Amino acid sequence: QVQVVESGGGVVQPGRSLRLSCAASGFTFRNYEMHWVRQAPGKGLQWVALISYDGNTKYYADSVRGRLTISRDNSKNTLYLQMNSLRAEDTAVYYCRGGLDYWGQGTLVTVSS
Amino acid sequence: QPALTQSSSASASLGSSVKFTCTLSSGHSTYIIAWHQQQPGKAPRYLMKVEYSGNYDKGSGVPDRFSGSSSGADRYLTISNVQSEDEADYYCETWDINTRVFGTGTKVTVL
Repeated sequence: QVQVVESGGGVVQPGRSLRLSCAASGFTFRNYEMHWVRQAPGKGLQWVALISYDGNTKYYADSVRGRLTISRDNSKNTLYLQMNSLRAEDTAVYYCRGGLDYWGQGTLVTVSS
Repeated sequence: QPALTQSSSASASLGSSVKFTCTLSSGHSTYIIAWHQQQPGKAPRYLMKVEYSGNYDKGSGVPDRFSGSSSGADRYLTISNVQSEDEADYYCETWDINTRVFGTGTKVTVL
């Protein structure tokens, strides 16, 4: 059974940092391109970043490039999102996704003073 | 990069059919798209990919009443025999080598 579980969300002040994790099981993690997708309160889905199956290729949405960093550890079946210089507009539920298929339940990040 | 256009809302009576559209931007009419469903208060769920040819490939466990089709730059999702649990937001997604793009979503109301 596929499980994708995000963690690490919370309330953080503007300008501070946060690290999200995503633990995957039930599929061959090391074979899958992985994504972070976010959804601001009451809004639609926004793609944030992707990382290739081997971690060698990474792409970012323009709105987060230079502040957010995606990474993975295939030995631990875990995906990460390091979030620096956070802004109010980064407030959202952050979803981890394997390929197109495997969505997590999301973790809420609130950036507020 | 590609862009996607979706109508904001649609409605269907219980047991009827509903078809809604995702339109690819100019120059991207042959792109594959994916459909995702998001029920109220839940995470999104992958439904299917739809190709320019009209071929579609559903995700695991997606009911038979969901189908896809295509015409030119338009990609469609059809729900037959609409059930109450189909009330949800439906997002289309497409991609280029270095980006992923979502449509704004269609809110489907079951009457």
